[in-house]
Amino acid sequence: DTEVTQTPKHLVMGMTNKKSLKCEQHMGHRAMYWYKQKAKKPPELMFVYSYEKLSINESVPSRFSPECPNSSLLNLHLHALQPEDSALYLCASSHISGRGGSDTEAFFGQGTRLTVV
Amino acid sequence: AQTVTQSQPEMSVQEAETVTLSCTYDTSESNYYLFWYKQPPSRQMILVIRQEAYKQQNATENRFSVNFQKAAKSFSLKISDSQLGDTAMYFCALDGTYKYIFGTGTRLKVLA
Repeated sequence: DTEVTQTPKHLVMGMTNKKSLKCEQHMGHRAMYWYKQKAKKPPELMFVYSYEKLSINESVPSRFSPECPNSSLLNLHLHALQPEDSALYLCASSHISGRGGSDTEAFFGQGTRLTVV
Repeated sequence: AQTVTQSQPEMSVQEAETVTLSCTYDTSESNYYLFWYKQPPSRQMILVIRQEAYKQQNATENRFSVNFQKAAKSFSLKISDSQLGDTAMYFCALDGTYKYIFGTGTRLKVLA
């Protein structure tokens, strides 16, 4: 199984709503990532989890709250979002090499298309 | 700082022709990996090819090959016998410490 599964594929939410994005992989990867991608732009890193611990937070606003319940699951909790947060949210996973970085490719999910109204 | 630069925002190529996408990068690491990812309109990021920096031999995957020039920090992607299904956004990426660093992308259109 070389898939990263993201749900839902599409999400429309109001600025006062609370919602969650889910990501799952069964490749034994111990690094998982959340990226945000605007149209015609490269993915922007938001968070990195290594061994289920948050290792990188790229100064993301607190209205985005990540969670890694176990080595296969990654969630992104959303609350009080703004219209400018509308984007494609991509989850990825990879192995962690001995030197602390990643030495194989990241596998990406299909993303969640989020629209904030 | 680790950076990846793609200087060609858009390119087009006739079906069955060959096209080369450029990428330059900067890193202070002695060993690292470079990747080309393809993102079609379906939006899933798909790995096209991978190169390990300590391997001098250029990676190849069927119609896709790279020209890896370590001293020049250059990593270009050559697509041979272009097909309509190759139409996509192509991102060059570097594995940084704990994260992947992407270039700004090249939008490739294959013309029938």
